[in-house]
Amino acid sequence: NAGVTQTPKFQVLKTGQSMTLQCAQDMNHEYMSWYRQDPGMGLRLIHYSVGAGITDQGEVPNGYNVSRSTTEDFPLRLLSAAPSQTSVYFCASSPTLGGANSYEQYFGPGTRLTVT
Amino acid sequence: KNEVEQSPQNLTAQEGEFITINCSYSVGISALHWLQQHPGGGIVSLFMLSSGKKKHGRLIATINIQEKHSSLHITASHPRDSAVYICAAASNTGNQFYFGTGTSLTVIP
Repeated sequence: NAGVTQTPKFQVLKTGQSMTLQCAQDMNHEYMSWYRQDPGMGLRLIHYSVGAGITDQGEVPNGYNVSRSTTEDFPLRLLSAAPSQTSVYFCASSPTLGGANSYEQYFGPGTRLTVT
Repeated sequence: KNEVEQSPQNLTAQEGEFITINCSYSVGISALHWLQQHPGGGIVSLFMLSSGKKKHGRLIATINIQEKHSSLHITASHPRDSAVYICAAASNTGNQFYFGTGTSLTVIP
């Protein structure tokens, strides 16, 4: 199993450009999520999905879109990049993450994004 | 508001020392997770616990549900333990984690 993969590892964008961060997992996990990590702030949830065709917003969704057409893939789109979106982005997956149940989350290696 | 608070933020220890990192949370949880992040590296899950204590090698995690508090202990610390340790609370009412800001540990030989 490759686990959770993310591409690219590094990206530099100019303000206003758009791009898609890719995330894929081969563990047949239903739950997938995107986080951003900023110094001193911990990981913050951007969007998540509990299965193909189902997505929802997290704590900091503005400026980002997601879709989940397959169980394996969960891309994150930046619509019009802003310097405030400079961050490290992590994708994660787990079998499920609902209510009374909790499972280990598997994280991708991260994408370091700089917006100038 | 911070649903998960960790202490200390930074910790420097001599090799061989016993280390404790603390985590307090204010939300209802289904489980408490401890994660490890090496410099420039990804994030790996160390423990997931909802009661009592778990041990893996030199790492021990405990949780007190009544006090909403968890600790991560490292016995006989080693320079390879140098990393950021993150506490995360899995909410029992919704589909998300709440993360602490992490504890940066440096173990000096």
